[in-house]
Amino acid sequence: KQEVTQIPAALSVPEGENLVLNCSFTDSAIYNLQWFRQDPGKGLTSLLLIQSSQREQTSGRLNASLDKSSGRSTLYIAASQPGDSATYLCAVPVSGGSNYKLTFGKGTLLTVNP
Amino acid sequence: DADVTQTPRNRITKTGKRIMLECSQTKGHDRMYWYRQDPGLGLRLIYYSFDVKDINKGEISDGYSVSRQAQAKFSLSLESAIPNQTALYFCATSDAGRYGYTFGSGTRLTVV
Repeated sequence: KQEVTQIPAALSVPEGENLVLNCSFTDSAIYNLQWFRQDPGKGLTSLLLIQSSQREQTSGRLNASLDKSSGRSTLYIAASQPGDSATYLCAVPVSGGSNYKLTFGKGTLLTVNP
Repeated sequence: DADVTQTPRNRITKTGKRIMLECSQTKGHDRMYWYRQDPGLGLRLIYYSFDVKDINKGEISDGYSVSRQAQAKFSLSLESAIPNQTALYFCATSDAGRYGYTFGSGTRLTVV
């Protein structure tokens, strides 16, 4: 059974700091990994999708890396802003093949202080 | 218009009532999902459908049923609502993996 762990569970940083969120998964036979952002009581917004053949993806100040062999992904946020405050979720497929169901970590709650 | 639309956005209902949550998508994807989110438990899969004739139970399907009316529509029903079904419910759609998941904005359901 695929299990996803996100560390830390919560993180508070001053504005402008660079930060890293971590995600680990137990079954490395994945064909992609997706990072989401969730604002309180709101839906999930997809940030980055990394296919298994890729090592990283970038979007603006965000960079996500994937190391399948070690079962890890990181989300790097550069020059953090108060508007980045949200919960960040990592998700991977439950298993490989065509049975494409996601399993989620419990998220990292990020607070960026002005 | 949003790619994935959920209605209603908020609902308060009484124990024992039947309630339906609706979801429609404009992504053109075959695959649709229902998840619930609870504080401390994260997102858990209730039901999923890979096409109109293919519906499957997820990890927490007891007390729920679904209907896939068309490729674009996937409804979740609570036959007899109970208070521990109070949660945030999300509908999502995906292709086979190339473009990932797209989520709706959620339905906040409170059962009193």
